[in-house]
Amino acid sequence: EVQLVESGGGLVQPGGSLRLSCAASGFTFSTYSMNWVRQAPGKGLEWVSSISYSNYIYYPDSVKGRFTISRDNTRSSLYLQMNSLSAEDTAIYYCAKSGYYGDYDHWGQGTLVTVSS
Amino acid sequence: QSALTQSASVSGSPGQSITISCTGTSSDIGGHNYVSWYQQHPGRAPKLMIYDITNRPSGVSNRFSGSKSGNTASLTISGLQAEDEADYYCSSSAYSSTLFGSGTKVTVL
Repeated sequence: EVQLVESGGGLVQPGGSLRLSCAASGFTFSTYSMNWVRQAPGKGLEWVSSISYSNYIYYPDSVKGRFTISRDNTRSSLYLQMNSLSAEDTAIYYCAKSGYYGDYDHWGQGTLVTVSS
Repeated sequence: QSALTQSASVSGSPGQSITISCTGTSSDIGGHNYVSWYQQHPGRAPKLMIYDITNRPSGVSNRFSGSKSGNTASLTISGLQAEDEADYYCSSSAYSSTLFGSGTKVTVL
């Protein structure tokens, strides 16, 4: 059974940093692309970042230069380093496994990041 | 890029069929076939319902079906059930980015 468990969320001040982690199990982590998706309170889903199995990395303009995605295949773990955080980054952050057709076939339960003074 | 456009809400009675539309452009939905649909119940993570425009993952009811015409993708729920009440999101993925729809709240009357 595929499992994705996020951790690392919490309260951070504007301008601060936070590192999210996602522990994966139940599949061969090293052979799949992985993603981060966020959802602001009461809002829709927003793609945050993707990393391919061969370490190609992609971001939308909204986080480019502030967020860094990485993976450790030896630990079956995905990470998201978030810097220069602002209130607009407040959201639940989900880790999601890529399927073969641009889909996200499994999701974690999410971790809440709150940016506030 | 702006989110794909979905109607804010759709409602139907049990047993009826409803269709949710998702409108993009020739640069996203109209340009390739990587269209997916997700169901999200309150307080829960999204769940994949349809991938590659028309395909259902194992375990997803065949009451859910997807289609695409031009720049618009659609999700149809037939035989509507109380458990189908949720938010639904479309998405369009290229190799370097993913765009989600604005979301549609489905209410079962």
